[in-house]
Amino acid sequence: QVQMVQSGAEVKKPGASVKVSCKASGYTFTNFHINWVRQAPGQGLEWMGWISGYNGHTNCAQKLQGRVTMTTDRSTHTAYMELRSLRSDDTAVYYCARDAGLALFGVVVPGVGYYGMDVWGQGTTVTVSS
Amino acid sequence: DIQMTQSPSSLSASVGDRVTITCRASQSITTYLNWFQQKPGRAPNLLIYAASSLQGGVPSRFSGSGSGTDFTLTISSLQPEDFATYYCQQSYSTPLTFGGGTKVEI
Repeated sequence: QVQMVQSGAEVKKPGASVKVSCKASGYTFTNFHINWVRQAPGQGLEWMGWISGYNGHTNCAQKLQGRVTMTTDRSTHTAYMELRSLRSDDTAVYYCARDAGLALFGVVVPGVGYYGMDVWGQGTTVTVSS
Repeated sequence: DIQMTQSPSSLSASVGDRVTITCRASQSITTYLNWFQQKPGRAPNLLIYAASSLQGGVPSRFSGSGSGTDFTLTISSLQPEDFATYYCQQSYSTPLTFGGGTKVEI
């Protein structure tokens, strides 16, 4: 079955970096985009960005630009999200989630996100504390 | 950025009740609207995509409607496993944005 399995919890100090992995299985990795979504304790959901499993093209939230890097390793069907210069308000559960739209040569019609995010990882807790 | 406003933020209901949650976008998003259910300690689960299409495996008591700026999620007969928080999310333009959530309580 389709699965997204994320790396384990992390505790980091302010100013450090964290890299979360998301290993996909059960589908053709290059046919779908992967989103990253985070949720601060007791708060709602915040979209961070997406990456194409086909060509690695990204679209990241402007508020995180300069601090976030999303990459993929097509050989291991794994997506990565690295967040730098961590602050206390980056403390959250980080999720990867597959975009449900089939991407042909990296293009989803009528657009990435239209069909929702259909398979989610279990979440990775990142705690930023001195 | 497109702002998504859900109402109510919480509601109390009983098993068997019909429940309606509304979501309003700050500009037209046509039908680029998805609904998710989230239970405590769990990842969100996709219920409805493209405003009114039921995701595979989701019970038919869930339905979505609307277009433009106003949308609704309806649970026709609330079941015990439906007590959760529900989020709408627009995918019309980036950044993708979520509503603040509606907590459905007993």
